[in-house]
Amino acid sequence: DIQMTQSPSSLSASVGDRVTITCRASQGIKYDLGWFQQKPGKAPKRLIYAASSLQSGVPSRFSGSGSGTEFTLTISSLQPEDFATYYCLQHNTYPWTFGQGTKVEIK
Amino acid sequence: EVQLVESGGTLVKPGRSLRLSCAASGFTFSTFTMAWVRQAPGQGLEWVSSISSSFNYISYADSVKGRFTISRDNAKNSLYLQMDSLRADDTAMYYCARVFGGSPGHWGQGTLVIVSS
Repeated sequence: DIQMTQSPSSLSASVGDRVTITCRASQGIKYDLGWFQQKPGKAPKRLIYAASSLQSGVPSRFSGSGSGTEFTLTISSLQPEDFATYYCLQHNTYPWTFGQGTKVEIK
Repeated sequence: EVQLVESGGTLVKPGRSLRLSCAASGFTFSTFTMAWVRQAPGQGLEWVSSISSSFNYISYADSVKGRFTISRDNAKNSLYLQMDSLRADDTAMYYCARVFGGSPGHWGQGTLVIVSS
């Protein structure tokens, strides 16, 4: 199985900060990666697909990059509504695997 | 508007069976791969199973293989998850999702399954 190592597991940041979350795959997955945001008690919401494509309706402060084994999710200017947990998902090979999550908290 | 509404979650004893359903609307259900993803209380997301639009590709997580069966009825715009031999570690919120762009792009609100004696 492909392991997805996400870092950091948590971070504290202030409104307006630039935030970067990284996912590393244990083997190459091309561009087959999505990023998801989840708020407490809510279903996950996809932000990015195919590593760098912005989901319709998602603010442009979210961006994704990378290919192969290393991927990043960047929030250019953190907003109050962005405090949540973020997950990456590789869908290159079954079984699909998620990263362990990054909790973004208010500093 | 795309809608996915899961149902069927409940409290069930270990070893018993349960069938989850997901009613889809707002899109052409028969043309999309669908998936189930679960989340145990306080834990991360775990992909459970996927089924292609034409039924020709089905896959399962190792943790449920041999116990869970995914199916769909394109005439009823519905996705199902038959869960047999349930265990305590199957306790989770179960989400139905529509796959497009390669990964789950639309999610339902989930249905809670609790396996406990």
